[in-house]
Order: sequence, then structure tokens, then C-alpha cells
Amino acid sequence: QSVLTQPPSVSAAPGQTVIISCSGSSSNVGNNFVSWYQQLPGTAPQVIIYDNNERPLGIPDRFSGSKSGTSATLGITGLQTGDEANYYCGTWDSTLSAVVFGGGTKLTVL
Amino acid sequence: QVQLQESGPGLVRPSETLSLICAVSGYPITASYYWDWIRQPPGKGLEWIGSFHYSGSTHYNPALKSRVTISVDRPNDQLSLKLTSVTAADTAVYYCARRSRTNWFDPWGQGALVTVSS
Repeated sequence: QSVLTQPPSVSAAPGQTVIISCSGSSSNVGNNFVSWYQQLPGTAPQVIIYDNNERPLGIPDRFSGSKSGTSATLGITGLQTGDEANYYCGTWDSTLSAVVFGGGTKLTVL
Repeated sequence: QVQLQESGPGLVRPSETLSLICAVSGYPITASYYWDWIRQPPGKGLEWIGSFHYSGSTHYNPALKSRVTISVDRPNDQLSLKLTSVTAADTAVYYCARRSRTNWFDPWGQGALVTVSS
């Protein structure tokens, strides 16, 4: 059971928009920065959003992040087949004194 | 360009100690940042194991703390992980990664699969 809750799977057609949620508590999401990672099959995770809504160099602006209270969201617009991957949210948990991750969301582009 | 690469035995017997090395190039480990270990059991999610801070301090996941040691070979910019008394539940891909002060990871190593089996 992960500390952060994500939907196990989401799906949408190419060109559409998808939103992935990450729900936590005041000890983690509510009071710490959230990051998002894309993990393509057979590869290491790669950061796509950090500090709630910042994109690293090279990440297209089709990817966006936001946070409100104890929930964060990752948005992906203009879906492409290459976006099919597992997506994870992560943050610091001040009570556990540990980095925590969501269980991951598998994105299928139909 | 910062690069990390994990290496170590791919098979460890139950009750023995898992040992991995992460070679860091392009940035000195002792200059800044946290340097962390994260693992991912096959088909499952990510679990943070612990970190080395450039100041010399270490910090571990409370769930693994009694079995984990993270240390650094400073002259060679290598991070090491030791996990004692392993069981099949410790079978995973083990990643090393650099962590910022706001707790995001970049870059990651390519990962090393460690299987615990007799």
C-alpha cells in the first residue's frame, strides 16, 4: 500500500488530454514539493515535472503539473503513442522522514 | 553531463548481504546534492531506500533502516549500498539517483536487477 494514491490506469485516444491524480496528506503532498516521473517499458524513471509544476529542459509543454491542498495532478495534452508509460508521483513525507512515491499509473494511448 | 551506473552481483542467496556500487561521473559526489538508492520489485512501484548527503550524513527508509548501509568512496566518486539478511522480497531493480533539496531525482542510473534466490 503506497503512501500516495494514484489511479492504477488511465487511457485516452491520441490527441486527447489525460489527467493523473496523486492524493496524499498534510505530511507529504500538502506541505512538500511534488515531482512526477515517466517510466517507459524497460527503462529507468525520468523526471518530467519537479517542484509541483516546473518542467526540466527538454520536456515538452504538453506535460504540466499542479497542486492543490493534499492532491497533485499531472496533465498530458496532445497524447502520442510514445507517451504510453507508467507515471509516478513522489514527494517527501515529513512524518515518516522519507521520500514516498505513488503506486504508479499506467497510461494507455488507444 | 552527470551519469550514474550501478554494478554488482545479479544473484544473491537468501540471508546473505546484497552489495551494489554506483559510479558517478561528471559531478563530484561531495560537492552538493543527495545521492540516493531506490528500488523497484518486478512489476511493482518505486521504493526509496536511503541517501547520502554531500555533507557526509546518511538517512534511511525507516522500513529498511536496520538492514541498510549507504557509504561513499570519495576519491572515486562511488556510492555503495549494502542490504543485509536478504529475502526473496528484496528481489528488485536497484537504481541510484541524484536528489535535489526539493526532493526530485535526476539523473537516474540505468538500474541493476538483483535476484534473491538459492
